[in-house]
Formats: sequence, structure tokens, C-alpha cells
Amino acid sequence: DAGVIQSPRHEVTEMGQEVTLRCKPISGHNSLFWYRQTMMRGLELLIYFNNNVPIDDSGMPEDRFSAKMPNASFSTLKIQPSEPRDSAVYFCASRQGLSYEQYFGPGTRLTVT
Amino acid sequence: AQKVTQAQTEISVVEKEDVTLDCVYETRDTTYYLFWYKQPPSGELVFLIRRNSFDEQNEISGRYSWNFQKSTSSFNFTITASQVVDSAVYFCALSFFSGGSNYKLTFGKGTLLTVNP
Repeated sequence: DAGVIQSPRHEVTEMGQEVTLRCKPISGHNSLFWYRQTMMRGLELLIYFNNNVPIDDSGMPEDRFSAKMPNASFSTLKIQPSEPRDSAVYFCASRQGLSYEQYFGPGTRLTVT
Repeated sequence: AQKVTQAQTEISVVEKEDVTLDCVYETRDTTYYLFWYKQPPSGELVFLIRRNSFDEQNEISGRYSWNFQKSTSSFNFTITASQVVDSAVYFCALSFFSGGSNYKLTFGKGTLLTVNP
């Protein structure tokens, strides 16, 4: 079975540009998560969707960040405008039900210059 | 509040040595989940194990074993006969067992394990 799929794997962009990260969760999983990983702050939960509905977006750093989940098989995380401090690895994860482990995608390494 | 402490920032061993990665957690809940994840140099996060707080039986999977001790709030991970491919950052994590917040994973800062040939 395919795992969580993320694209692109690497993204280099200039400050001020819009960045869109994409995620396809594991089929049948009804929860989706976006995380950010940096050396300074470790793994941070940005937003959590359950059955395509955003449940907790308290981790979204600021209004420049937005996430959508238009259907059960696709989600996006958008940063507009991007800033150098947004440089990090962004992970998408999915989970089946309420009592299961989260499975992570390979991550998108974002560099904003 | 929940907290996970992985006191060992880095560990270096020689291949075939046994190595134990420590994980100590804090929570006010009586029921919870504990996890271990592996992050190899390629960067992905790989799920290794999930343990319920009411199941204190130790688990073994090949060269991997986990020792859960509720009395000391520890969930340690041992790799027997380590191999170079075990080189990675290992994260311990904790979540609520039930209720609306059981999606929140509290991660430790990770332990970088380097296995030298």
C-alpha cells in the first residue's frame, strides 16, 4: 500500500513568493496532520483535520499560513507570502480512527531565500 | 500538560553493540499512548511502535525491544546487535488516550544514534 505522499520533496523559493505544499493521505485514513520540523523548535503540529474538517489550527504560525482539505484524499498547506524563517521540513501525516498511530509522509524541505 | 524527555542527545556505538535509548514522560492522565518513531538520514519519520498505558508487557520485534515501566514513567528502546542501518534520530512521543485531544503527539527532542562499522 502507498504511504502518505507529499509533493514537492524540495522547494526553493524567494522571499515574498507563494508556496503550496501538497499531501495525499493513506487511503481510508480520516485524520490528517501538518507538522513543521526545525532544529530550534523540533516537531510542531500546525493543523489537524478530521473527516476533512479543520479541528485544531492553533499551531498555524500566522495568517500567512493556510491549509485546506477539499476531499478525503488531498490537502494543501499554503504560505503566502513566504519568509526566510519559514524554511523548515514540512510533514504531512495521516491516521485511521481516533486511536491509531500517525503515519508520516517523506516531508517537503522548504528553503526560502 | 504532557512532557517527554530524551536526555541522551547523541549516542555513538560500534556495530554489533547493544544500545538503549531512554525516554521519560510526564502526564497527569492515567491512560495514554506512547510511541517511538525513527528518522533516518533520508528524513522521513517511520512509525516503530505504539503502546497503551494499561499494557505494561514488554515487546520484542526482531532486534528491537521496548521496556515500559509505568512506575518510573519510562518507555525505553533497546536495539540488540546494532547495525549501521540503525543510524537515525529516534523520537519518543506521548498522546492522550481518549477524548478530543488524543490527536496531539508530544514529542521528545530526539536521540541521534550513530552506529559505526
